[in-house]
Amino acid sequence: DGGITQSPKYLFRKEGQNVTLSCEQNLNHDAMYWYRQDPGQGLRLIYYSQIVNDFQKGDIAEGYSVSREKKESFPLTVTSAQKNPTAFYLCASSTRQGMNTEAFFGQGTRLTVV
Amino acid sequence: DQQVKQNSPSLSVQEGRISILNCDYTNSMFDYFLWYKKYPAEGPTFLISISSIKDKNEDGRFTVFLNKSAKHLSLHIVPSQPGDSAVYFCAARVYGQNFVFGPGTRLSVLP
Repeated sequence: DGGITQSPKYLFRKEGQNVTLSCEQNLNHDAMYWYRQDPGQGLRLIYYSQIVNDFQKGDIAEGYSVSREKKESFPLTVTSAQKNPTAFYLCASSTRQGMNTEAFFGQGTRLTVV
Repeated sequence: DQQVKQNSPSLSVQEGRISILNCDYTNSMFDYFLWYKKYPAEGPTFLISISSIKDKNEDGRFTVFLNKSAKHLSLHIVPSQPGDSAVYFCAARVYGQNFVFGPGTRLSVLP
């Protein structure tokens, strides 16, 4: 069963701590993305990666970091520098950016800072 | 500066009737458009897409219309069902670039 898996579904973090959100896909997709959704807002792009060992900042990258050491995996670290980390985080993947196909999303991780 | 706009935050429709969700965009370079459906606390799921070379694409109860001159697209759901109640996101992309999402429209289908 091909798909994209995010874990954990719910995550609590104390202020000042870094936390890493997991994203794994077995769709053999080259491109992977991290989005953030806040109440009443759309999806804002944090980081994206088109190929292994390469990634680019999106619109709201400050306070976040990523790595892409394997094609299947694109973890997101929310650092203590992120001012408002409480949000719903979505990971997605797609075939190469030049192709007209959709992005597939994981089920999301809700991060709450306590 | 929002490149993809969904000016109606919410929409209520009676079961069995047509739901029309609208989306406007500003970037004339967009050449591929998509609609996603999202339930609370879940990831968006892909519904339907349309290439800029077409003006209509249909898939079952869902039809997307594209008006390039007006930079406008719409999603029609006929007939609407209670299970269609969700947030709908419009998205667009320029060839070789990232998806840009609108803010979403919450559809409520009333029984």
